[in-house]
Amino acid sequence: AQSVTQLGSHVSVSEGALVLLRCNYSSSVPPYLFWYVQYPNQGLQLLLKYTTGATLVKGINGFEAEFKKSETSFHLTKPSAHMSDAAEYFCAVSYSGSARQLTFGSGTQLTVLP
Amino acid sequence: DTGVSQNPRHKITKRGQNVTFRCDPISEHNRLYWYRQTLGQGPEFLTYFQNEAQLEKSRLLSDRFSAERPKGSFSTLEIQRTEQGDSAMYLCASSPLGGQNYGYTFGSGTRLTVV
Repeated sequence: AQSVTQLGSHVSVSEGALVLLRCNYSSSVPPYLFWYVQYPNQGLQLLLKYTTGATLVKGINGFEAEFKKSETSFHLTKPSAHMSDAAEYFCAVSYSGSARQLTFGSGTQLTVLP
Repeated sequence: DTGVSQNPRHKITKRGQNVTFRCDPISEHNRLYWYRQTLGQGPEFLTYFQNEAQLEKSRLLSDRFSAERPKGSFSTLEIQRTEQGDSAMYLCASSPLGGQNYGYTFGSGTRLTVV
């Protein structure tokens, strides 16, 4: 069964600092990878996705992620954190041979300090 | 296109009561998914529809849970004889065919509290 591990349930950064949220997945077949953001009492908003092709994926709000097959990783980064980035972030995986639903990690709560 | 709509946003019910949630997907999306999210956890897959057909159900979906998507449009999720462990956020998502290539659009969820 597929799984997703997000290292660090809580990450704090200063405003303007680099944001790095870690995601590793388990897979024996090529994955489809996603990052979602969730604000309090809201649903999930898609930040970016990797399907095929270029391994560096750019998303909304200045976020990007790099698919590294050898490391089975899909870490999310943003060069400069903004106060509005404070939210919970979820990494998720799907597979072409699966029933097409998403398997999520347990999430990382990002706090941005002034 | 108004996105995925879920109603109600919040539901408080007494243990043992039945509850029903509704999801209206993006109109042209064939696939519809239900997820459950408990505090501090990522969403967990419950079930999914392609048009009106329910194609997969998670083992999390006990016999107290039932989902329908009549006519392949909106969907309902019913929980019978609610238990305190059912307290969670219930999320609906939709996608076109080949959703993995396009991403999945989520609604704002229904937060259920069983007292």
